[in-house]
Amino acid sequence: NAGVTQTPKFQVLKTGQSMTLQCAQDMNHEYMSWYRQDPGMGLRLIHYSVGAGITDQGEVPNGYNVSRSTTEDFPLRLLSAAPSQTSVYFCASSRTNNEQFFGPGTRLTVL
Amino acid sequence: ILNVEQSPQSLHVQEGDSTNFTCSFPSSNFYALHWYRWETAKSPEALFVMTLNGDEKKKGRISATLNTKEGYSYLYIKGSQPEDSATYLCAFIPPSNLDSWGKFQFGAGTQVVVTP
Repeated sequence: NAGVTQTPKFQVLKTGQSMTLQCAQDMNHEYMSWYRQDPGMGLRLIHYSVGAGITDQGEVPNGYNVSRSTTEDFPLRLLSAAPSQTSVYFCASSRTNNEQFFGPGTRLTVL
Repeated sequence: ILNVEQSPQSLHVQEGDSTNFTCSFPSSNFYALHWYRWETAKSPEALFVMTLNGDEKKKGRISATLNTKEGYSYLYIKGSQPEDSATYLCAFIPPSNLDSWGKFQFGAGTQVVVTP
């Protein structure tokens, strides 16, 4: 099993550009989530999904969209990148009521 | 605003010493608490999933306790080793109306540095 994969590993965007961060898992996990990690702030939940077709907002959803058309994939879309979205983004998945498995992260810089 | 607080923010431990640190969370509306270990340049890895008041979990030299009535969990490291150096995160999970977890709320973490 590949576990949780994220692409790209690094990305530099200009203000106003849009892009999609990809996340996939091959463990048939129902629960998937996106976090951003900023110094001194811990991991903050952006969006999460409890199954295909079901998504909900987390703590910091503004400026991000998600969809869950399949169990395996949970892409995160930045609609119009802003410097405040410079961060490290982690995707995670789990079976309900079990530990989360994290992807390797995507380091995003918005100029 | 972090409803989940971890203390201390960082601590330095001599190799061989034991240590512990705290995760505080809202005592109402509890569903589960997770502990994760996060080494530099890696991704967080789960240590414990705790759901019942009074739970005690152990993995090697690391153990955790849970008090949901007063809203805290302790993580203990016995006989610290340099490889225990990492940031330890706790995550509070409230229930949701979707027969599943609600929104994970992570604390900012306790950074542990073990020196030989």
